[in-house]
Amino acid sequence: GENVEQHPSTLSVQEGDSAVIKCTYSDSASNYFPWYKQELGKRPQLIIDIRSNVGEKKDQRIAVTLNKTAKHFSLHITETQPEDSAVYFCAASTREGSNYKLTFGKGTLLTVNP
Amino acid sequence: DTAVSQTPKYLVTQMGNDKSIKCEQNLGHDTMYWYKQDSKKFLKIMFSYNNKELIINETVPNRFSPKSPDKAHLNLHINSLELGDSAVYFCASSQDRGPSATRNSPLHFGNGTRLTVT
Repeated sequence: GENVEQHPSTLSVQEGDSAVIKCTYSDSASNYFPWYKQELGKRPQLIIDIRSNVGEKKDQRIAVTLNKTAKHFSLHITETQPEDSAVYFCAASTREGSNYKLTFGKGTLLTVNP
Repeated sequence: DTAVSQTPKYLVTQMGNDKSIKCEQNLGHDTMYWYKQDSKKFLKIMFSYNNKELIINETVPNRFSPKSPDKAHLNLHINSLELGDSAVYFCASSQDRGPSATRNSPLHFGNGTRLTVT
């Protein structure tokens, strides 16, 4: 089955700095890679996603890059703010028969210090 | 209106008891899921149902039994609760048969049920 590795497990940055979280996946057939943000005590929420036919996608201060050859993808947050503090999860979608399943990385706790 | 709602929000019970968690979605999605998030925040899929049909069944003890009376509801019943069952259980839903590159079908999570077994 799919295996998704995520690094680092914790990341602390100063407000205004950039943050980068990296993930690798094992199944070359995976074709959809979402990122979820989970604030303390809340539910995970989708913040950005990328499909395998695209190398990069941006949405204001967040961007995701995908390298299909190397089987890795990354989340970039620029001009970080204290409200960006949360646990971030990467995920990869794999097909099982006619169904699709998301496998999540183990999460990165991002702390943005004011 | 909460799109994916689950009850209860908190559940504290003793070992050996049987408990249920209920989930309902009003998004019109075809597929619903149960995920378990342990103390280390790891999110792991347990089950997935598409239009009341079980389509994904991960390696989960058979003390856990999901039930989907219709495509808008997916409940989770747990028998003989153990200490290791303590976790946050998230219900989720998506369109079609799951998130994929060919469809706009992201996963929508409920607010979670924190289960504590003492």
